[in-house]
Formats: sequence, structure tokens, C-alpha cells
Amino acid sequence: KQEVTQIPAALSVPEGENLVLNCSFTDSAIYNLQWFRQDPGKGLTSLLLIQSSQREQTSGRLNASLDKSSGRSTLYIAASQPGDSATYLCAVRFTGANSKLTFGKGITLSVRP
Amino acid sequence: GAGVSQTPSNKVTEKGKYVELRCDPISGHTALYWYRQSLGQGPEFLIYFQGTGAADDSGLPNDRFFAVRPEGSVSTLKIQRTERGDSAVYLCASSPGTGGYGYTFGSGTRLTVV
Repeated sequence: KQEVTQIPAALSVPEGENLVLNCSFTDSAIYNLQWFRQDPGKGLTSLLLIQSSQREQTSGRLNASLDKSSGRSTLYIAASQPGDSATYLCAVRFTGANSKLTFGKGITLSVRP
Repeated sequence: GAGVSQTPSNKVTEKGKYVELRCDPISGHTALYWYRQSLGQGPEFLIYFQGTGAADDSGLPNDRFFAVRPEGSVSTLKIQRTERGDSAVYLCASSPGTGGYGYTFGSGTRLTVV
């Protein structure tokens, strides 16, 4: 079964810390992987999209890496700020999955001032 | 439009009633997806349209759920005989096609069945 796992479910860090959010997936045959941010009671905002042929993508203080062979992706957040507090979701488009995304349960991040 | 628009943002309905949830995708996006998110969970796939046709409806939980996209743009998710277990946030997303594009999600409709 194709699954996406995000551990831990919640994380609390002091402001200014560099942090890494992990995502693992069970099948290395993927088309792409997308990281989203979700604020409480809101929809999903796309952060970064990594195609299967790519190793990483960067946007501002965010960097996402992809290692298909080990079934892992990481989202690196540099110099965290209280405004980064949200739930971060990893979603994988598996090959042959007819374009649908499989999501992890998300990591709820709290950045303390 | 500039983004994916979903209406209503909130819907409270009584058990047994019929509801319709609307999604207006980004103009020109041919692919449209419906997902359902329960509290504390990641979104779960319901149905995917490419143009007017449902390319994959394998995520619809049962025959009370149905979705249409008659003109290849706006889509409506229809739920008959609602049950309390249907309470969730229903998310719609669109993408330019079925290539390596990312998704753009709407803000969702929070459905509460009382």
C-alpha cells in the first residue's frame, strides 16, 4: 500500500532555530512530491514542488530535498519565526496513481517567541 | 479566477439532508480534484476530473457521494442523506493538467452534520 508518514505529529521550537521536518513514503516510484502549509481553519498553501528527477527545491528560507531511493523528503526551515507556526503537510504523487496525491497527517509546528 | 474558490465556506446541515458544495477552479485548469480532511488527518482523495469526465472516483466512500463538472470548469460535490460521519472539511484543488504540475487548493468547505 502506498503511504506517506510524517513524524513527529507536533514540534515546538524557540524562535530563530533552524529545523527539519521529515516525510517518508513507502514506494520509490513517485512522480513528484509537494509540501504544503495549512493554517488553522484554512486551506492548503503550496510551498515547494519537487519533481522525481530533482534532488531539491528552494524558496526563501525553505529548502526541500528528495531522496527517492530511501523514500524520504525533508523540509528545512531556516531561522524560524513565530509566523512559521502552522501544520506542514507532505503529499506524494505516486507513479500510476492517476494524478492523485497521497498525504501524510502533517506536522504541527509551533515557534515560540 | 486568481485562485480556487469554494462555496460555501461553512455549511451546517441536519442529518439526512442533501448538500451541494461548489468549486470554481483556476481559469484554464483542466484537472480538478476533491479531497476530504477530517480533524487531525491529512486530506484524503475523493474524485478527480480531467475536463468534464471523472477520471478516477475511487475515493468516493459510498453511493451517497456524487460529483459533476458538466462544462469542464465549475464542479459540484453532492452528498445525499448526510450522516454525522460526513462532517469534515471538503477541499478542492486544480492543476493545469496531468503532467508534473503542482496542485492549487481552495480554502475548503467545512461541513457539519448535526
